[in-house]
Amino acid sequence: GQQVMQIPQYQHVQEGEDFTTYCNSSTTLSNIQWYKQRPGGHPVFLIQLVKSGEVKKQKRLTFQFGEAKKNSSLHITATQTTDVGTYFCAGPFASGAGSYQLTFGKGTKLSVIP
Amino acid sequence: DTGVSQNPRHKITKRGQNVTFRCDPISEHNRLYWYRQTLGQGPEFLTYFQNEAQLEKSRLLSDRFSAERPKGSFSTLEIQRTEQGDSAMYLCASSLLSWQGQYEQYFGPGTRLTVT
Repeated sequence: GQQVMQIPQYQHVQEGEDFTTYCNSSTTLSNIQWYKQRPGGHPVFLIQLVKSGEVKKQKRLTFQFGEAKKNSSLHITATQTTDVGTYFCAGPFASGAGSYQLTFGKGTKLSVIP
Repeated sequence: DTGVSQNPRHKITKRGQNVTFRCDPISEHNRLYWYRQTLGQGPEFLTYFQNEAQLEKSRLLSDRFSAERPKGSFSTLEIQRTEQGDSAMYLCASSLLSWQGQYEQYFGPGTRLTVT
């Protein structure tokens, strides 16, 4: 079925190291969204990418949308302990009822060792 | 606080009992979603409303689950005859609908259900 795959599932980094998570879709997406969920918290929207090859930056976070609009990545430069959490990508997939629903990946859980 | 709120935050119930959760979305949002999240997984779509109309239900949603949004504002999710497999975090989210159908969703804190 339609799905969104994320790798790696877990990543442990030393504080100050960089971190990257990758997201791959089984089909071309109209857009892709990224969310962050802190331990014990709820998903919080980070960004949406719409255009092929789009790159957006938020401080130390860089988001990319692939040329074919089937993959995306999130790169964090010089991780900090505040970056700890699970990062999810999500894409809208057409449902049987003719609407589009967000399908989330399983997420990449980031641990930062001080 | 003008974010999405959910009540209760935690619910422990015995197998076979009925439970009801409430979600209050951001007031100007016309779309409201219910998701279920289990450990190590991303949120899984259950159902959504546009205003008061329930437009879609996932195949994950068995007949024991029912959701309402009577006046297009708050929503309730009821689970009848709960089973241990229903134990999960139930998340509510709301959004506006943009002209392209592209939207960011704002999640509530969730209701953690434990069925014993």
